[in-house]
Amino acid sequence: EAGVVQSPRYKIIEKKQPVAFWCNPISGHNTLYWYLQNLGQGPELLIRYENEEAVDDSQLPKDRFSAERLKGVDSTLKIQPAELGDSAVYLCASTPHLRTDTQYFGPGTRLTVL
Amino acid sequence: AQTVTQSQPEMSVQEAETVTLSCTYDTSENNYYLFWYKQPPSRQMILVIRQEAYKQQNATENRFSVNFQKAAKSFSLKISDSQLGDTAMYFCAFTFRTGANNLFFGTGTRLTVIP
Repeated sequence: EAGVVQSPRYKIIEKKQPVAFWCNPISGHNTLYWYLQNLGQGPELLIRYENEEAVDDSQLPKDRFSAERLKGVDSTLKIQPAELGDSAVYLCASTPHLRTDTQYFGPGTRLTVL
Repeated sequence: AQTVTQSQPEMSVQEAETVTLSCTYDTSENNYYLFWYKQPPSRQMILVIRQEAYKQQNATENRFSVNFQKAAKSFSLKISDSQLGDTAMYFCAFTFRTGANNLFFGTGTRLTVIP
């Protein structure tokens, strides 16, 4: 069974440029999470989807961050415009449904903003 | 608010020896799950072991075991017969058993296994 897939693995951009990250969860997993992991820290939740509905986006900085999960499968996280402080690893995770405790993570995207 | 504390930023252990990583947490809830995740340089967060708070028996997975002390809100990870492949960041994490199941992570412990 394929795991959670994320792309790109690495992205380097200049500040004020837009950037997008893509996540394909494990087949059949209805719940999808995006986490932000700053250097030397544990991941922190940005947004959680149940199918195509964002059920928790309270930690998403909505002035520059947006996310979508069309058709309840793949998801895209976007930053526009990127700032220097956005340099971090962006992790995607999925579970079969909201009540399942174990989350399965993708390899993450390392973003560097210059 | 829920917090997870890992007080050991870095640890090292000789290959084949045993090492224990510490974790404490704070919550007013009674039903929750605790996890240890491993993150090697590849960045893939891999589940190591999982503990249900309502179970008194400590979870074990091959060389990995936990010491779960619910009253003390302590959840340490013991790695026996350490292997070079165990070198990674280890994160302790917590989630509620009911309602939203966001994971709350500690700041991690960097473990180095020395040959």
